[in-house]
Amino acid sequence: GAGVSQTPSNKVTEKGKYVELRCDPISGHTALYWYRQSLGQGPEFLIYFQGTGAADDSGLPNDRFFAVRPEGSVSTLKIQRTERGDSAVYLCASSPSGGSYGYTFGSGTRLTVV
Amino acid sequence: GENVEQHPSTLSVQEGDSAVIKCTYSDSASNYFPWYKQELGKRPQLIIDIRSNVGEKKDQRIAVTLNKTAKHFSLHITETQPEDSAVYFCAASRNTGNQFYFGTGTSLTVIP
Repeated sequence: GAGVSQTPSNKVTEKGKYVELRCDPISGHTALYWYRQSLGQGPEFLIYFQGTGAADDSGLPNDRFFAVRPEGSVSTLKIQRTERGDSAVYLCASSPSGGSYGYTFGSGTRLTVV
Repeated sequence: GENVEQHPSTLSVQEGDSAVIKCTYSDSASNYFPWYKQELGKRPQLIIDIRSNVGEKKDQRIAVTLNKTAKHFSLHITETQPEDSAVYFCAASRNTGNQFYFGTGTSLTVIP
């Protein structure tokens, strides 16, 4: 696609539920990143994929958060047993090969846990 | 890990005046410093970036300066216009992995 696509754009879920957030990177981009942006804050790194593998997952806050990228393109961020503190905008970014050139963000998924 | 601090958190200027936003970083291995503009509800958009092998870069009304010794970098916007109103984020990264460490943002308001 022309840009990084994230779905859904908005998600409201009840506390304790499971959610999946999807990121479709720019075609051909091997590197994919997930960030979380809380209100009034800068994006905070969660996980980085190079191809199918998670090259760095040091930003995931706890074991309720997990992400996959099984075919090296689309990625899914999965959050189990959601908590109100998980409410934020989840941003995805991709780049051609893991460098800073061509690094592009998606519009994000706004997750609200009630 | 890297720690990026950004000041001020809010900034109001009259149209036509200049705006300056400053950031500091802690990791001497960081070598790439992008600036992003984010309008309400929109994605962060890259407006200018600088690498550690240069001290200054300019693109029309926008310039960025970098002081590696002091570990700080600044965004300068001249002849501000109302459409410059947005939240601006600085970031720092290394080549490896390229995850960005962001500042906390500056909400810029340009008053017509």
